Amino acid sequence: EPEVTQTPSHQVTQMGQEVILRCVPISNHLYFYWYRQILGQKVEFLVSFYNNEISEKSEIFDDQFSVERPDGSNFTLKIRSTKLEDSAMYFCASSNDRNNEKLFFGSGTQLSVL
Amino acid sequence: AQTVTQSQPEMSVQEAETVTLSCTYDTSENNYYLFWYKQPPSRQMILVIRQEAYKQQNATENRFSVNFQKAAKSFSLKISDSQLGDTAMYFCAFMKRGGNKLVFGAGTILRVKS
Repeated sequence: EPEVTQTPSHQVTQMGQEVILRCVPISNHLYFYWYRQILGQKVEFLVSFYNNEISEKSEIFDDQFSVERPDGSNFTLKIRSTKLEDSAMYFCASSNDRNNEKLFFGSGTQLSVL
Repeated sequence: AQTVTQSQPEMSVQEAETVTLSCTYDTSENNYYLFWYKQPPSRQMILVIRQEAYKQQNATENRFSVNFQKAAKSFSLKISDSQLGDTAMYFCAFMKRGGNKLVFGAGTILRVKS
């Protein structure tokens, strides 16, 4: 079974620091996503990415966030200046079709901002 | 905007018994998809079952089946012959056809007891 790989599994950072979360989507997938889940809360959509550009982003995805697919295999989420409230589990997901008939999630990166 | 409501924060079931998890949603869209995801303690998101709104037949995947009532905007998940490994958080999710994002409910914690 192919899988989406996320690194690191845990990331601890100081408030105000930049952090980059890394994801390797499944190789033939074209649609890429980031979601986050604050502890005890629902999973929230952050951003979708297709054809090297953002397709849609949520209100959470403000100027502090950016995504990039730098080399055709990695898909990264950067938070420029982390805040305490950015502490959450961040999930990367990828799909081969727009209707997410098979949407695969990674195992997540737990980000803790101190 | 779409909303997804899971009114049962927690449920328990005896091993080998059947349990039904509830989900309702609100949308003005006519074409959409509904999903159930399982999140075990490892926190990975695993697709359990998917329903296309234009299909009247309820989706089934082995021990998992749904009761999709489009007019009532209801999408419940039935787990038959519950197993200890079914213990997890279950999320109901909505996506409009041609959309880019999943909208998740708050989740239901299911505990299967031996």
